[in-house]
Amino acid sequence: AQTVTQSQPEMSVQEAETVTLSCTYDTSENNYYLFWYKQPPSRQMILVIRQEAYKQQNATENRFSVNFQKAAKSFSLKISDSQLGDTAMYFCAGDAGGTSYGKLTFGQGTILTVHP
Amino acid sequence: EPEVTQTPSHQVTQMGQEVILRCVPISNHLYFYWYRQILGQKVEFLVSFYNNEISEKSEIFDDQFSVERPDGSNFTLKIRSTKLEDSAMYFCASSTRRYQETQYFGPGTRLLVL
Repeated sequence: AQTVTQSQPEMSVQEAETVTLSCTYDTSENNYYLFWYKQPPSRQMILVIRQEAYKQQNATENRFSVNFQKAAKSFSLKISDSQLGDTAMYFCAGDAGGTSYGKLTFGQGTILTVHP
Repeated sequence: EPEVTQTPSHQVTQMGQEVILRCVPISNHLYFYWYRQILGQKVEFLVSFYNNEISEKSEIFDDQFSVERPDGSNFTLKIRSTKLEDSAMYFCASSTRRYQETQYFGPGTRLLVL
């Protein structure tokens, strides 16, 4: 994606509850991939989930799922049964391919805090 | 599970000094990347590298920066004359393909320029 926007600087959720993190993007490409990365306090970037734009089915990875709305250019992350270890900064990122040659564009990030 | 490694984890240097940040990508990956994250800001693309050549670089990646794959396993980022504003976390990543492939990130090197 050429621009990626995360409008929620911070979110919080109680342990075991569900939370949704928002992301919108803009790209002129037709084929692209979108990703959610997690950055815990250690600051390592960890892949959470990815979505191929050509797939209509939303990606799911255990407790993590996405709501991919291609027409609206929206790519939200749902975390079910939140755990304390989910506390981290979450980045939405896109790879538009085409002339961008694997260059990931990141959003500003959302700090998620899971409370016991 | 194979992972990307980076050394050092932390580096403190004086303004004007040269630094080399090292990365060992996942062994069967062919594409390599450097990103940086200034504290409190978003992660920014610096450069991508394939077949011993730069594929793409951002406007941040000026003449002070260079990348190299000196041998079959290491991938390095050199900053020739560090500035205060180079203080950031530097992430190396690698992938099997250039296009639309998952990039796996290393743990980062925290660079502080005094």
